Amino acid sequence: DTEVTQTPKHLVMGMTNKKSLKCEQHMGHRAMYWYKQKAKKPPELMFVYSYEKLSINESVPSRFSPECPNSSLLNLHLHALQPEDSALYLCASSQEDLHPTYEQYFGPGTRLTVT
Amino acid sequence: GQQVMQIPQYQHVQEGEDFTTYCNSSTTLSNIQWYKQRPGGHPVFLIQLVKSGEVKKQKRLTFQFGEAKKNSSLHITATQTTDVGTYFCASCREFDITGGGNKLTFGTGTQLKVEL
Repeated sequence: DTEVTQTPKHLVMGMTNKKSLKCEQHMGHRAMYWYKQKAKKPPELMFVYSYEKLSINESVPSRFSPECPNSSLLNLHLHALQPEDSALYLCASSQEDLHPTYEQYFGPGTRLTVT
Repeated sequence: GQQVMQIPQYQHVQEGEDFTTYCNSSTTLSNIQWYKQRPGGHPVFLIQLVKSGEVKKQKRLTFQFGEAKKNSSLHITATQTTDVGTYFCASCREFDITGGGNKLTFGTGTQLKVEL
């Protein structure tokens, strides 16, 4: 199984709402990632988890709160978002090791619209 | 910070024509990965290059890594409509001593359209 799943596929939320994005993989990958992608732009890294611990936070505003409950799951909690946060949110996973780099497997994404 | 530029930004070709996208970095890269993103889809890994001057082929796709490890190219021979999408190069740094995971920095991407 080389699939990364994400729910929901689409999400519309108001600026005062609280919502969560979910990501799951069963490839035994110990590194998981959140990316934000605006239309016609490349994905931008937001967070990296390595062995369920947050290892990289790319100066993301605190209204985005990641969580890694276990090695297969990754959540992104959203609160008090702004309209400019509307984008495609991609989850990815990869093998994790000290030296080599590995390809990342991306989920289909959640298309978020903030009204 | 690390910047990876791709040219061209857009490319329209007739089916059967060749296509090349170039990826250029201001710094030496440890390696380079290529991804393809279909319209409405998500990035899908194509290949990784690690060695200086490395060339790899996948059917009609040829990938090169520059001798100085600052640039890379993807060449598609005889494009087909199935090649439509945006092609991203991405450099992957090894994590630093305080962190983990692979920090991918994506290039700006080249959008390919293929017309019959």
